Amino acid sequence: NAGVTQTPKFQVLKTGQSMTLQCAQDMNHEYMSWYRQDPGMGLRLIHYSVGAGITDQGEVPNGYNVSRSTTEDFPLRLLSAAPSQTSVYFCASSWTSGDYNEQFFGPGTRLTVL
Amino acid sequence: ELKVEQNPLFLSMQEGKNYTIYCNYSTTSDRLYWYRQDPGKSLESLFVLLSNGAVKQEGRLMASLDTKARLSTLHITAAVHDLSATYFCALRGGAQKLVFGQGTRLTINP
Repeated sequence: NAGVTQTPKFQVLKTGQSMTLQCAQDMNHEYMSWYRQDPGMGLRLIHYSVGAGITDQGEVPNGYNVSRSTTEDFPLRLLSAAPSQTSVYFCASSWTSGDYNEQFFGPGTRLTVL
Repeated sequence: ELKVEQNPLFLSMQEGKNYTIYCNYSTTSDRLYWYRQDPGKSLESLFVLLSNGAVKQEGRLMASLDTKARLSTLHITAAVHDLSATYFCALRGGAQKLVFGQGTRLTINP
């Protein structure tokens, strides 16, 4: 199993550009989510999904869109990049039932917006 | 609203010493997680704590949970350099959402 994969690993954008961060998992997890990590702030939830066709907003959703057409994939779209979106982005997945529901994190995408 | 606070945020210690990282949270949750992150890397799951009084140990790390005090601790015994990393606690909010603490950057010096 590859686990949770993310592409690209690094990206530089200019203000106003759009792009899609890709996330895929091969563990058949129902739950997938996107977090951003900024220095001194831990990780903050952007959007999440509890299954194909179902998405919802997290703590910091503004400027981002998501969709979930398959169980495996959960792309994050930046509509019009801003310097405030410079961050490291992590995708995570887990089961929604069971005792532990441990979330598995992808390797991250480091995004710089100029 | 669930809030999670860790302290200290920075910790520099010598090899061989013991220390504790604290994680306080504001409202009840049914799961508390500890993660480790090495510089430039992803998060690695260390422990999942479910119930009051739960204690889990892995090598030199031991995590405990006191739900009445809304407090979890991560205790490091006889620290070694390989344990240098940033440690996060996180609690499950609704629908699998995780709320993270700010992280504790641990540096262990020879």
